[in-house]
Amino acid sequence: QKEVEQDPGPLSVPEGAIVSLNCTYSNSAFQYFMWYRQYSRKGPELLMYTYSSGNKEDGRFTAQVDKSSKYISLFIRDSQPSDSATYLCAIAGKSTFGDGTTLTVKP
Amino acid sequence: GAVVSQHPSWVICKSGTSVKIECRSLDFQATTMFWYRQFPKQSLMLMATSNEGSKATYEQGVEKDKFLINHASLTLSTLTVTSAHPEDSSFYICSAYPTGPYNSPLHFGNGTRLTVT
Repeated sequence: QKEVEQDPGPLSVPEGAIVSLNCTYSNSAFQYFMWYRQYSRKGPELLMYTYSSGNKEDGRFTAQVDKSSKYISLFIRDSQPSDSATYLCAIAGKSTFGDGTTLTVKP
Repeated sequence: GAVVSQHPSWVICKSGTSVKIECRSLDFQATTMFWYRQFPKQSLMLMATSNEGSKATYEQGVEKDKFLINHASLTLSTLTVTSAHPEDSSFYICSAYPTGPYNSPLHFGNGTRLTVT
């Protein structure tokens, strides 16, 4: 079983939509979670870094962790064409990632 | 903070030659660095784990004699693609943890696009 599984894409939404990106993880001992954004032909950049359960908000982005169901989510409000990228979820302390969800926000 | 610099960002080489890619942690020390390969529209594939002062650990299926990794200092790891062939053309990305808490997030370089002609 993979340590982290990501909802497959691709995902295409109109500008201004709320986007929900989701992952599940296998080990309840995991405590730190990350979301990365990767633009085409660039390295992934750290978007959100969260600990344990609950929500963390940064501008239009909200990361949510539900430890009871081992589920992590990234919400993007008022999505913009510049948000078009591949989003990766990851577990801190691990070098492997979800397969990524490619998001396209259409103007 | 936590900047990882990768160089070069783009390289073209002839088949049979070797290419070296550098990965530097600019503002932190990294005992461990990772090297990934990514084909177009595919996910990151971990190639090897680079450990400062010791031999790298390669993932299954990755040829250690072809992809030479050297982690000579706490801020520099290099990946050398030896006797490159067109099938080695890909996007290579490195990442690193700041030395310290195991739960530090990974920080990535901006990748190196290798084209072998």
